[in-house]
Amino acid sequence: AQKVTQAQTEISVVEKEDVTLDCVYETRDTTYYLFWYKQPPSGELVFLIRRNSFDEQNEISGRYSWNFQKSTSSFNFTITASQVVDSAVYFCALRGISGGYNKLIFGAGTRLAVHP
Amino acid sequence: DSGVTQTPKHLITATGQRVTLRCSPRSGDLSVYWYQQSLDQGLQFLIQYYNGEERAKGNILERFSAQQFPDLHSELNLSSLELGDSALYFCASSVRTGGTEAFFGQGTRLTVV
Repeated sequence: AQKVTQAQTEISVVEKEDVTLDCVYETRDTTYYLFWYKQPPSGELVFLIRRNSFDEQNEISGRYSWNFQKSTSSFNFTITASQVVDSAVYFCALRGISGGYNKLIFGAGTRLAVHP
Repeated sequence: DSGVTQTPKHLITATGQRVTLRCSPRSGDLSVYWYQQSLDQGLQFLIQYYNGEERAKGNILERFSAQQFPDLHSELNLSSLELGDSALYFCASSVRTGGTEAFFGQGTRLTVV
């Protein structure tokens, strides 16, 4: 079975603080893909990043960085110097071959509130 | 803007009624997915179509059905609506199946009263 766990339900920080959102996944697949999506208050789901299971390189995009560790089945997301516009619900998701690659399995999401 | 268009944005209807949600995928995308987001169930995969054919089914109720047309747009039909069907329904599209990322529309918020 495939599963994504985001243990942090809500996080509250003050602007300019760094914040890390945790994501732990379960899969028996050797080939799989991990994703992060952002859902701002307006409601749409915005794609942030995709990582395949063979690429454990960390990735940085501006203030965003992602740490993928297969050994601990984790794909954590860090926002550096957070801003009020980062306030949103963030979802981690998994897509694997046992699901026919056909569906994204989402975690429950982490609600991030960034206060001025 | 993801390039995925969903209509309508909001829908209010009574129990027992039937509604149709529409999705136009991004240009060039052959695969369309439908998801339901509710407070108690989170984001749940409903169904996927690829180039007009059903590819995968998730937790989709028998009262719900979908199709993808030759022009690749898709419709999700919800019938005999119940209060518990109130949710945000998302459509997503991707170039193909596999590990590619899916881009989501803005969703249709369905309220059943």
